[in-house]
Amino acid sequence: GAVVSQHPSRVICKSGTSVKIECRSLDFQATTMFWYRQFPKQSLMLMATSNEGSKATYEQGVEKDKFLINHASLTLSTLTVTSAHPEDSSFYICSARAPLAGSYNEQFFGPGTRLTVL
Amino acid sequence: GENVEQHPSTLSVQEGDSAVIKCTYSDSASNYFPWYKQELGKRPQLIIDIRSNVGEKKDQRIAVTLNKTAKHFSLHITETQPEDSAVYFCAATSPSGTYKYIFGTGTRLKVLA
Repeated sequence: GAVVSQHPSRVICKSGTSVKIECRSLDFQATTMFWYRQFPKQSLMLMATSNEGSKATYEQGVEKDKFLINHASLTLSTLTVTSAHPEDSSFYICSARAPLAGSYNEQFFGPGTRLTVL
Repeated sequence: GENVEQHPSTLSVQEGDSAVIKCTYSDSASNYFPWYKQELGKRPQLIIDIRSNVGEKKDQRIAVTLNKTAKHFSLHITETQPEDSAVYFCAATSPSGTYKYIFGTGTRLKVLA
């Protein structure tokens, strides 16, 4: 149980285009989903927290107009990187919190999406 | 703001030896401390976690200790094996607001056969 999927797993796009990444909780309802970015050999940096039906809360320094987050249902959150540039190339990982699955505070991570912007 | 420091950044041990990774957190309200193992290009995998009302927890070769007064917690891996080689991250979270994780900077563990 408590499986989180992400799609796509890998995407290559041209500079200036927008890319949408989906994060789904497959067998549970996620009250909260989190989006992280991880550059090579670095830690996971939280970008934003999203709750179903409400606006995402962005961490300091993360541009909300560039990284659009939509949490339309208890099983789906999307991250859209708008007007992507090479410096946005990174590993994007989502996670979902499910108080009724596992430990109360535990987050379940998706497999990640490798974004490469040419 | 909240901060989690992790040491060392790299650690090499001989197979069969023990490995210890230490983390210090800043938010005294933090009450949940997970440890993750991440292999290259993969998702982080939870290997052990501890809540603030417990001082130590053990699962086979892996143990975690927590010192709330000093605000630090440690991961102990005994009888290390080559497959333990990976990057390990500690994290801390508090019950305030969103239960978000603050991750440590990571430790690259290399177990030498």
